[in-house]
Amino acid sequence: DAGVIQSPRHEVTEMGQEVTLRCKPISGHNSLFWYRQTMMRGLELLIYFNNNVPIDDSGMPEDRFSAKMPNASFSTLKIQPSEPRDSAVYFCASSSFVGYTFGSGTRLTVV
Amino acid sequence: TQLLEQSPQFLSIQEGENLTVYCNSSSVFSSLQWYRQEPGEGPVLLVTVVTGGEVKKLKRLTFQFGDARKDSSLHITAAQTGDTGLYLCAGERSNYQLIWGAGTKLIIKP
Repeated sequence: DAGVIQSPRHEVTEMGQEVTLRCKPISGHNSLFWYRQTMMRGLELLIYFNNNVPIDDSGMPEDRFSAKMPNASFSTLKIQPSEPRDSAVYFCASSSFVGYTFGSGTRLTVV
Repeated sequence: TQLLEQSPQFLSIQEGENLTVYCNSSSVFSSLQWYRQEPGEGPVLLVTVVTGGEVKKLKRLTFQFGDARKDSSLHITAAQTGDTGLYLCAGERSNYQLIWGAGTKLIIKP
C-alpha cells in the first residue's frame, strides 16, 4: 500500500485565493481526519469523517474552510478565501482501528 | 479543556546516552499512542498502549502506560542519531478523539 497520499506537497498562494488540498486515504480505512500543524498550536484536528460522513467539524476555524469526502478514496479541504494566518502544514490521516496513518502533509504558505 | 502535558519540550543529548520523555494528564485515556515525526513528513505511529501498567518494548525504546491510564513515558536506551525527531504522545478519549501533546523535539548529537 502506498500509504496516505496528499497533494500538493507545497502550495504558495496569494491572500484571497482559493486553495484546495487533496487526500487519498489507505484503502479499507473507514476514518479520515484533516489536521493542521503549526509551531504555536501543534496538531489541531479540523474535521473527522467516518464512512465518508462528516462526524465532527468543530475544529474547522471558520466558514472559509470546507471539507468533502465524496467517496471512500478521496477527500478535499478547501480554503476560500485564504489568509496569511492559514499558513501551516495540513495533514490528512486515515485509520481503521487503532492508530493513525498520516500523509506527508501539504505545506501551505499564504502571502 | 483536556490537556496532555509533554516534557521536556526540547532535549539535546550525545549519542549513547539514555533519555525519558513524559506525558501527563489529569484525564483517563482508553489508550495512549506515541508517534515520531521527522522534518517534512507526517507523524508515524510507534506504539499504542492500552492497559494500565502496560510496558511495551520496541528495540531500544520502552513505552509505559501509568497504572491509572493518565500518564505515559518513553525511555530510549543508548540513543542513536537516527532517533532524532519530534516525539508526540496522543491520548485517546473516544473512538476517534485524540488529545495531542505538544511534542518533544529530540536531537541526538554524534
